[in-house]
Amino acid sequence: QVLLVQSGAEMKKPGASVKVSCKTSGYDFSSYPIHWVRQAPGQRLEWMGWINVGNANTKYSEKFQARVSITRDTSASTVYMDLTSLTSEDTAVYFCARAPYSGAYSSWFDPWGQGTLVTVSS
Amino acid sequence: EVVLTQSPATLSVSPGERATLSCRASQSVNYNLAWYQQKPGQAPRVLIYSASTGATGSPARFSGSGSETEFTLTISSLQSEDSAVYYCQQYNNWPLTFGPGTRVEIK
Repeated sequence: QVLLVQSGAEMKKPGASVKVSCKTSGYDFSSYPIHWVRQAPGQRLEWMGWINVGNANTKYSEKFQARVSITRDTSASTVYMDLTSLTSEDTAVYFCARAPYSGAYSSWFDPWGQGTLVTVSS
Repeated sequence: EVVLTQSPATLSVSPGERATLSCRASQSVNYNLAWYQQKPGQAPRVLIYSASTGATGSPARFSGSGSETEFTLTISSLQSEDSAVYYCQQYNNWPLTFGPGTRVEIK
């Protein structure tokens, strides 16, 4: 069974950084890209970027390019998303999601992690 | 960036009736469009990809059609468990983008 399990909720102050983890199991970790998508309250889903887990290459949305970093730890089958310089507008649920088949970089997402709520407040 | 618009914003349908949801793209995305269902407190779940291919585990009452800029998700006979928000997503162009969603309510 393919599983993506994310780290727990975070509360951060404006200007801080947050690191969310996504631990995977049930498949060949190195073969499937992992994406990050966020959902602010009342807003549509928003794609942030992805990582080619095999070679660590990344691609980010221009909106987040300057503040986001996606990395992976192959020994732990885990992908991380780092977001810096947080503001209240970054309050959202952050999801990791896997590409549906090996080598699919521009694709739909299946499956998804359960989501991690990041709250930014002073 | 490809902008997706969805209509209607909210759809109220009686059990057993048909529900038709629309997604329009600001430019052609060919057949590279997926539909998701999201229930409160849950992650989205893919229902349809490549505009019309049912995802594994997606009930047969969900079907997709369309190409280029006009797409439709049809729920042939609405069940109570279909109450959710439905999103379309294009993966033809970077950045990958989502529509604003259609909320389906059971009358």
